[in-house]
Amino acid sequence: AQSVAQPEDQVNVAEGNPLTVKCTYSVSGNPYLFWYVQYPNRGLQFLLKYITGDNLVKGSYGFEAEFNKSQTSFHLKKPSALVSDSALYFCAVRGLYSGGGADGLTFGKGTHLIIQP
Amino acid sequence: EPEVTQTPSHQVTQMGQEVILRCVPISNHLYFYWYRQILGQKVEFLVSFYNNEISEKSEIFDDQFSVERPDGSNFTLKIRSTKLEDSAMYFCASRARDTPSGDEQFFGPGTRLTVL
Repeated sequence: AQSVAQPEDQVNVAEGNPLTVKCTYSVSGNPYLFWYVQYPNRGLQFLLKYITGDNLVKGSYGFEAEFNKSQTSFHLKKPSALVSDSALYFCAVRGLYSGGGADGLTFGKGTHLIIQP
Repeated sequence: EPEVTQTPSHQVTQMGQEVILRCVPISNHLYFYWYRQILGQKVEFLVSFYNNEISEKSEIFDDQFSVERPDGSNFTLKIRSTKLEDSAMYFCASRARDTPSGDEQFFGPGTRLTVL
């Protein structure tokens, strides 16, 4: 069974500093990895994905993530944090598509990112 | 920009009643999903739907749950006899096709279900 771990419940970063939100995964075969962001009382917004290719993927709002196969990690990063980045961030994995199975996303428990002015 | 919509935004029901949550996926998408998020917990997969049939379901999706695509636009989740523990935010999602460029799922804003 696939799983996602987000080891930090909360990450605090000063505005303008770089941020990292950690994610590790476990899945059979090659993973499809995603980051989503959730603002209060809102749905999930897609940030970025890794399917194949370059290990560093760039997404919305200046976020990027680095896929590391040997460490089974997919950490979310941003060079310079903004107060408006404060939200709940979810890492998710989808297993290798097998013609009808393993299609649903498995989410981590989420990490609250708090950017302090 | 096209988006997934869900109605109602908040549904309050009595325990044992049937509820139907409605979703309109993005129009050219082929894969449809329901997830739920109990307050303060992580998002959990319920079911995926493709080509007018369920393609995968989790252990949460028992006989009390059903999904339907009654026409070309709506995608519904029915809970036949609601329980207190069904109280959660329910998210609908859709995905375009199974290629790398079209692989992300787009989520609706959710329906908050409160079972009293």
